[in-house]
Amino acid sequence: SQQGEEDPQALSIQEGENATMNCSYKTSINNLQWYRQNSGRGLVHLILIRSNEREKHSGRLRVTLDTSKKSSSLLITASRAADTASYFCAVNFGNEKLTFGTGTRLTIIP
Amino acid sequence: GAGVSQSPRYKVAKRGQDVALRCDPISGHVSLFWYQQALGQGPEFLTYFQNEAQLDKSGLPSDRFFAERPEGSVSTLKIQRTQQEDSAVYLCASSLEYRGGYTFGSGTRLTVV
Repeated sequence: SQQGEEDPQALSIQEGENATMNCSYKTSINNLQWYRQNSGRGLVHLILIRSNEREKHSGRLRVTLDTSKKSSSLLITASRAADTASYFCAVNFGNEKLTFGTGTRLTIIP
Repeated sequence: GAGVSQSPRYKVAKRGQDVALRCDPISGHVSLFWYQQALGQGPEFLTYFQNEAQLDKSGLPSDRFFAERPEGSVSTLKIQRTQQEDSAVYLCASSLEYRGGYTFGSGTRLTVV
C-alpha cells in the first residue's frame, strides 16, 4: 500500500502536555500534509511540508520530515481540549491527488 | 463562496435507489476532488477534476459511480442502484495550488438501508 500510516492509532494525554504523532510511507513523495478532523466534520488542512524541507512550524504545531526514513512527525505543544480530534497525514506522490492514512485519534483530558 | 459547500448533509437511501451528491467548491479553485470515508478510516480517493475535465477517476469503485463538473464549478457525484457497502461519508475538496493543500467540505453522510 502507498498509504501514509499513522502511529499511534489512538493517543490520550493530559491538557498542557505535548502530543506527538508519526506517519510513515513507502515511496518517494513530492510533499506530505497533515489534516485535522473533528467528529462528524470535514478535514482541515494544518500544514504542508515539501520533500526538500526538514521542519516546519505553525503556531503550536511542528512538523518534521525525514525522507531517508520515509517518515514524518506532527508535534502539538501545550495541548488544549479543543485539540481533541483525528489527525491524518496525506502524501502527494507527484500527481494532483493525496493519499491519506488511517489517522490518529487524539483525546485531550481536561 | 467562503468555503466548500456540500449538500445534502445527510442522505438515507433505500437499497437500489439512485442518489446525487452536490459539491460547490471555492470560487476560482481549479481542482476538485471527491473522497469516500468509511467509519474509522481515512479518506479514499474517488475522482479528480481540473476545471470541467475529469482527469482521474481511478478510485471510483464501480460503474455505478459517476461524477461530473460540466461548467468547471459545481460538481455532482451520482451513485446508481445504491448498495449497503456504499454507506460512507462522501467528501469534496477543492484546491487552488497544484499539489497544494485541500479545502474540504463538511461531507455528505450517506446511509443505505
